[in-house]
Amino acid sequence: KNEVEQSPQNLTAQEGEFITINCSYSVGISALHWLQQHPGGGIVSLFMLSSGKKKHGRLIATINIQEKHSSLHITASHPRDSAVYICAVRKVGGSQGNLIFGKGTKLSVKP
Amino acid sequence: GAVVSQHPSRVICKSGTSVKIECRSLDFQATTMFWYRQFPKKSLMLMATSNEGSKATYEQGVEKDKFLINHASLTLSTLTVTSAHPEDSSFYICSVAGGNRPYEQYFGPGTRLTVT
Repeated sequence: KNEVEQSPQNLTAQEGEFITINCSYSVGISALHWLQQHPGGGIVSLFMLSSGKKKHGRLIATINIQEKHSSLHITASHPRDSAVYICAVRKVGGSQGNLIFGKGTKLSVKP
Repeated sequence: GAVVSQHPSRVICKSGTSVKIECRSLDFQATTMFWYRQFPKKSLMLMATSNEGSKATYEQGVEKDKFLINHASLTLSTLTVTSAHPEDSSFYICSVAGGNRPYEQYFGPGTRLTVT
């Protein structure tokens, strides 16, 4: 079993819908990242969380340390949100760059 | 967050040649930089960690003589793929950490290398 699991693997939504992508992990962590990878490959750092909730524009990320779970929400989705969303965690005691990456959730937003 | 750039964004080179990829931290004193590699439809994998002014630390299975990393300043790290081979074709991503926010990490947009 992977230490970082994302669900769903693929997600298709209509423009305007509220979207939730989930990330569960089985190890103790010191930080969790949400990344966005566009079809051309470019990666954008969306959030880094160690507790609570962060919001940036239409994106909201939450983390529940006790339940070892994080969610990424997109409100009022738009076709330009179509991308692969990747969750990555840094294990407690692990080196900073040695992240464990989820396999990603491919989001397609239809107009 | 920090702004991280990579250059070039795409590069095609012939087998046997070397190619250099730059990672720049535009507004952040990056005491540490990381290099990742992503194979098609796979997760990112850490290749090496470099601290400014020191030799890079490579992950197991990564050839240090093939993937030369230089981190000469707080804003620039380079990855040179030497004697490139088609198997080196991949997506290479850097990320930065350090400054007064040592637990934060910011990713560059990546460089797609194709070796023909």
